Amino acid sequence: DIQMTQSPSTLSASVGDRVTISCRASESISSWVAWFQQKPGKAPKLLIYKASSLETGVPSRFSGSGSGAEFTLTISSLQPDDFATYYCQQYNSFPWTFGQGTKVEIK
Amino acid sequence: QLQLQESGPGLVKPSETLSLTCTVSGGSFSSSSYYWGWIRQPPGKGLEWIGNIYNRGSTYYNPSLKSRVTISVDTSKNQFSLNLSSLTAADTAVYYCARQYGSMTPFDYWGQGTLVPVSS
Repeated sequence: DIQMTQSPSTLSASVGDRVTISCRASESISSWVAWFQQKPGKAPKLLIYKASSLETGVPSRFSGSGSGAEFTLTISSLQPDDFATYYCQQYNSFPWTFGQGTKVEIK
Repeated sequence: QLQLQESGPGLVKPSETLSLTCTVSGGSFSSSSYYWGWIRQPPGKGLEWIGNIYNRGSTYYNPSLKSRVTISVDTSKNQFSLNLSSLTAADTAVYYCARQYGSMTPFDYWGQGTLVPVSS
């Protein structure tokens, strides 16, 4: 199985901050990475697919980058609605696997 | 707007089989570009992929669950289902159904999830 390792596990930030979350795959997965946002009691929401493609309707302050085994999700200016947990997921090969999550908290 | 809704028992006992159904509305369920899957999340923990079902019924399952999982589709009812057998307390989780649109894509539409406690 391909392991997805996110860092940090928790991130404290303020409104307006630039936030970066990293995700490392245990082997090369080309660009087959997605990023999800999840709020308490809610289903995950797709933000980014194919490493850097923005899902329709997602604000442009979200961006993704990377290829191979190293990937990054960036929020350019953190908004109050962005405090949530973020997951990366590889869909290069089965079994699909998720990172352990990064919780973005209010500083 | 595509909508997915999970349904099933509120509580199941250890050693029993869990049966969940996902009902899809607001879209063309039988489209050849739509694929379906299940994901679960134990309380307070991360996401675990369970399996996917594709055209002509081909399935892919998480090896950690493969011996206990079956995913099927009922096109006539716009539904797909999950069966998970030999339950233990470790299977307690929120179970989500989701859609995949096209190959080499992630899940883009998710159901709201249903909590399934496994307890005697």
